[in-house]
Amino acid sequence: DAGITQSPRYKITETGRQVTLMCHQTWSHSYMFWYRQDLGHGLRLIYYSAAADITDKGEVPDGYVVSRSKTENFPLTLESATRSQTSVYFCASSETPRAEKLFFGSGTQLSVL
Amino acid sequence: AQSVTQLGSHVSVSEGALVLLRCNYSSSVPPYLFWYVQYPNQGLQLLLKYTTGATLVKGINGFEAEFKKSETSFHLTKPSAHMSDAAEYFCAVSDNAGGTSYGKLTFGQGTILTVHP
Repeated sequence: DAGITQSPRYKITETGRQVTLMCHQTWSHSYMFWYRQDLGHGLRLIYYSAAADITDKGEVPDGYVVSRSKTENFPLTLESATRSQTSVYFCASSETPRAEKLFFGSGTQLSVL
Repeated sequence: AQSVTQLGSHVSVSEGALVLLRCNYSSSVPPYLFWYVQYPNQGLQLLLKYTTGATLVKGINGFEAEFKKSETSFHLTKPSAHMSDAAEYFCAVSDNAGGTSYGKLTFGQGTILTVHP
């Protein structure tokens, strides 16, 4: 099916563990983004990417790592999970650099115990 | 730096009543402005956007918003609420400054709309 998919949908992990959240899109959009959604904060940008092998930090990048070896995939890794990283994570893509329309995945709900 | 303020984290209306969700922004350059809607357990969907041109923009599901530069506002309205409008709504701004900004959006904190029968 065409679209943007995230996996897993739910994840529970422990502090200190490495966790990778997956994001896959089928439109060949150049631009991809990772946001985290927290109560009272709306969505905050973690990392973004303009193309394969081009990534840059957003507003809250500490503790996260991204890669983009292929246009369609944009995984987000928490190197050593902390409780403050408990959140809902959304991946999004855009075909234009100014993101006139973002397409969002359904999200990954991550709990760090 | 750009920022967005949504006035009211919760708004409750009766079915058939006017919906008004408030959004104020700050931006150092002419902004792009957006409203996104999030239904439970789903990602966000674009409701409408303002980039250039006409300041009154119409979106899906009967929503519209007006860009008022003098008031730095982009309030979302719908004349008659429907039960299916119950969701969380996010206002967002992009400073479209070009360069390496890559259309990074800054989102407001969200407004939960409840519609009563």
